[in-house]
Amino acid sequence: QVQLQESGPEVVKPSETLSLTCTVSGGSINSYFWSWIRQPPGKGLEWIGYIYSIGRADHNPSLKYNPSLESRVTISIDTAKNQFSLNLSSVTAADTAVYYCARDGSTSLRYYFEYWGQGTLVTVSS
Amino acid sequence: QSALTQPASVSGSPGQSITISCSGTSSDVGKYNLVSWYQHHPGKAPKLMIFEVTKRPSGVSNRFSGSKSGNTASLTISGLQAEDEADYYCCSYAPTTTLVFGGGSKVTVL
Repeated sequence: QVQLQESGPEVVKPSETLSLTCTVSGGSINSYFWSWIRQPPGKGLEWIGYIYSIGRADHNPSLKYNPSLESRVTISIDTAKNQFSLNLSSVTAADTAVYYCARDGSTSLRYYFEYWGQGTLVTVSS
Repeated sequence: QSALTQPASVSGSPGQSITISCSGTSSDVGKYNLVSWYQHHPGKAPKLMIFEVTKRPSGVSNRFSGSKSGNTASLTISGLQAEDEADYYCCSYAPTTTLVFGGGSKVTVL
């Protein structure tokens, strides 16, 4: 059974960079699409972006970001550690949210999320 | 503002059927059969209930079904049970933003 676990600071100061890592267990991180999704308090879900890697050094990971966040978002992957990460720069209070990592249901990208992490609340506050 | 429109709340009595709508456009919901639905109990991970409009993952009760007509997708819960009380979100592929969610619908079992 695939399991995902988010980790990272619970509090980030305004204007700084939010950094989270998702550790995948129970399966390989290779050849699947991995996303970050967030939910601000009292609001709905927002897709942040995805990354895909086949785990070969001569293959650059594929990336796609939500246009509304693209200028501040970087997603990376470490296939050796079975982890992928999120960096969100220049954060404000509007970035306070529960952040989830999730996996697409298919290796061919079918745009649905079969596996989710439990989520981690990140608060932007000085 | 969410790109897909859902009713804020839907309620029903135990045993009844309810339907949650998810309205998009001819560029997303109407064009692609890539709508999924998630059940979310606060504090827990969202759970996939329906994918590709009508498909149900193994382990999900057959009381949950999905459909689509034009630019609107729907999730129907039959034989409503207390455990179905949760927030439900639709999600669709959309070429301009890749993926968009609805604003969520709170289901209350009366």
